[in-house]
Parts: sequence; structure tokens; C-alpha cells
Amino acid sequence: EIVMTQSPATLSVSPGETATLSCRASQGLGSNLAWYQQKPGQAPRLLIYGAVTRAAGIPARFSGSASGTEFTLTINSLQPEDFAVYYCQQYFNWWTFGQGTKVELK
Amino acid sequence: EVQVVQSGAEVKRPGESLKISCKGSGYSFTTHWIGWVRQRPGKGLEWMGIYYPGDSETKYSPSFQGQVTFSGDTSINTAYLQWSSLRASDTATYFCARLGPTGSPDYFADWGQGSLLIVS
Repeated sequence: EIVMTQSPATLSVSPGETATLSCRASQGLGSNLAWYQQKPGQAPRLLIYGAVTRAAGIPARFSGSASGTEFTLTINSLQPEDFAVYYCQQYFNWWTFGQGTKVELK
Repeated sequence: EVQVVQSGAEVKRPGESLKISCKGSGYSFTTHWIGWVRQRPGKGLEWMGIYYPGDSETKYSPSFQGQVTFSGDTSINTAYLQWSSLRASDTATYFCARLGPTGSPDYFADWGQGSLLIVS
């Protein structure tokens, strides 16, 4: 089983700042990685797939990048509606989620 | 517009059976996999498995193999998640999602709103 490790567990950020979230895979995934956003009481929403491709309707302030087994989700100029939990997910070998990073108001 | 709509909340007793539903619309139901995800209260997302309505193929996470059953009815564009004997530890919100891209089980593109299950 591929293990996905996200860091940090909690990220305290002020509106307008940049948030950088990390996700490390226990083995190579190619670009088979997605990022999801989940707000309290809501279903997750797809943000990024293929490690770097924004899903339809996702603002350009969200971007994904990859380097080997390290994946990054960057949120530029954080908006109030961006405070949420973010999950990475690999779909290279079956599917596994990371444990999530909570982006909270500083 | 793609929509994925799940059945409502359920309160069940241990040992009871249950089938919850997931209805897709606005896309070709038979050419997209459906995935199921569990989220226990206050916890993260757990992948349970996937189901292909086109030929009823299933792939179960080892953690859920033998514990649940996936099925569907293409005449009403609906997928199902079923338990034969519920346990208190099944208490959670269950999400279904349409996988993308077409015909390929990759990312979870469009999610249902979730079905809360309480077993007590």
C-alpha cells in the first residue's frame, strides 16, 4: 500500500498570505495525484488532478507541483473561503488519501 | 450539469442491514466508475473501493473487502453501497463520487453530498 504523508497537520495563515501544503508518497506515483478541499459539513471538492491540472472552476490561486515523490499545493493570496481541510490522494496503485492538512485563520 | 445525489441519513441498530444509494445525472452513468469513501466523525477520508456500472466490476480496498458490497442499477443511474450486518464502528458519513476521466478510474471528480449513518 502506498502511504501518503501530509504536512503540516495544521497551517495557520492570515488572509492574503500564501499557504504551502506538502504531501509525500512512500513510492513513486508519476503524476497520479489529486488534491481535494473539504469544508466542515460538506463533501470534498476536487481541486487538482494529474498533480498540476486545476479542475474545472477552480481559481488560479490554487496550483499544484511535483518533484519526485514530493507534491505541493500552493494557495496564493488566501481568501476567507479557503480555510478548510485539504487532502492529497494517490491513484497510481489503487487509491489512498493523506491524513489532511487543516488551513486555519491565524 | 453533472450531479451526484445520495440517499439521506440513516439510524440503524447493530446487526441490521442497509443499502444506501448514489444517483448520477448529467453524464454517461455507464462509462464512469463510482467510488465510495468513508469518513468517521472528526477523521479523515478512507477509500473503500470503486464500482463500474458498465459491467458491474468492483475493486474493494482490503480494509473493506467482505464488509460491504457495491452494486448498481443502470436503468435508474444509481449505485449502491450495502451492509448485511451493521456494527457500531460503521458509524460514519459515506461519500460516493464519479471518477474521472471517462472510462478510467483515476481521480474523484464529482462528489455526492454524503450519507450519514449512525449505528447504535
